[in-house]
Amino acid sequence: DGGITQSPKYLFRKEGQNVTLSCEQNLNHDAMYWYRQDPGQGLRLIYYSQIVNDFQKGDIAEGYSVSREKKESFPLTVTSAQKNPTAFYLCASRRQGFSGNTIYFGEGSWLTVV
Amino acid sequence: KNEVEQSPQNLTAQEGEFITINCSYSVGISALHWLQQHPGGGIVSLFMLSSGKKKHGRLIATINIQEKHSSLHITASHPRDSAVYICAVRDTGNQFYFGTGTSLTVIP
Repeated sequence: DGGITQSPKYLFRKEGQNVTLSCEQNLNHDAMYWYRQDPGQGLRLIYYSQIVNDFQKGDIAEGYSVSREKKESFPLTVTSAQKNPTAFYLCASRRQGFSGNTIYFGEGSWLTVV
Repeated sequence: KNEVEQSPQNLTAQEGEFITINCSYSVGISALHWLQQHPGGGIVSLFMLSSGKKKHGRLIATINIQEKHSSLHITASHPRDSAVYICAVRDTGNQFYFGTGTSLTVIP
């Protein structure tokens, strides 16, 4: 079945460490997104990519980095520069150029700084 | 400033009740999405609307483009409908804006 796979589901990080969250999709979607969700807030856009080898900063990109070397993959690195990384992270994808298509989400990754 | 506002934030209903969740937005949109987030965090898309009304089972979604307003209705609510419901709009630049969600609890 086609879908989006995020891993790991739960991740613990020591302060000062970088961690990378994986996002893989087999939907042949061009656009991929990373969102952060905090209690009581809507999803906030970290980074998005509309095509391979290209990505754009979202509203809260500071302290994060991404890459898009393959269409299927859009990993997110939470760097030590991110001051408050404990949150729920969601990856999403959408097919570009087709207005009738919807957005698909992964199951999310819970990151906790210990 | 929130581009998308939802109400209510929290909603508790008895099984069988008719439920309405409202969404207002302030940007020009290509489409509006209703999403359901389960307690584990996973999100699924329920509806995508650009006009009119859509129905899927006990769920009905409507949108009024002129008033920039959408509603999600659940008929004959059931405890398994308990989840967070999120309104999201996609603007003409294909960027998404999300509401903060409505937490629904349906009591048997």
